[in-house]
Amino acid sequence: DTGVSQNPRHKITKRGQNVTFRCDPISEHNRLYWYRQTLGQGPEFLTYFQNEAQLEKSRLLSDRFSAERPKGSFSTLEIQRTEQGDSAMYLCASSDQDRGSYGYTFGSGTRLTVV
Amino acid sequence: AQRVTQPEKLLSVFKGAPVELKCNYSYSGSPELFWYVQYSRQRLQLLLRHISRESIKGFTADLNKGETSFHLKKPFAQEEDSAMYYCALSGVPGGTSYGKLTFGQGTILTVHP
Repeated sequence: DTGVSQNPRHKITKRGQNVTFRCDPISEHNRLYWYRQTLGQGPEFLTYFQNEAQLEKSRLLSDRFSAERPKGSFSTLEIQRTEQGDSAMYLCASSDQDRGSYGYTFGSGTRLTVV
Repeated sequence: AQRVTQPEKLLSVFKGAPVELKCNYSYSGSPELFWYVQYSRQRLQLLLRHISRESIKGFTADLNKGETSFHLKKPFAQEEDSAMYYCALSGVPGGTSYGKLTFGQGTILTVHP
């Protein structure tokens, strides 16, 4: 287990298409977070899971976005009917609940470009 | 609402000079404060957190509750310190925002030889 893994690293898609990203967290971490980062901005919280339960969603997460974490392991983030404004870096992070933010480990991110 | 402000987008210093990256925050209560760093072509990683009062790679940060600031300092900057630095906060254990990070916009630090 070498850390948080995200796939793909880059995704270019046409406007209106659906895309799905995958995140594999550190195996012993029960919390998994998704963030979005646009150019010149810090990461912005999207949603998080504790095991398989999705506990909070940001208002940034419109109804075109959906995230899942089946069986509390890997997670997927799907964007339907992509728009140019969805172009961003999507970051995944995991942590151990007992350690809260202390044990936060980020993945390398998936860079989405909508053309 | 919680907010983190990093007033400087860019900061340039010469090697050996002191450096201070500013961070101010807004939060109802006592948050946990962090500094994250992203070196070129690497993933975002934790640099230090206020609760552990540690010094990492020569950097320190003091939480000033009166001024709601958490500035990052290093007395003698090195070229390898060049990176993007983000200040972030999280709520305390038991709170609704515990574990969820709010980031500032980041400061690009460039240390010239």
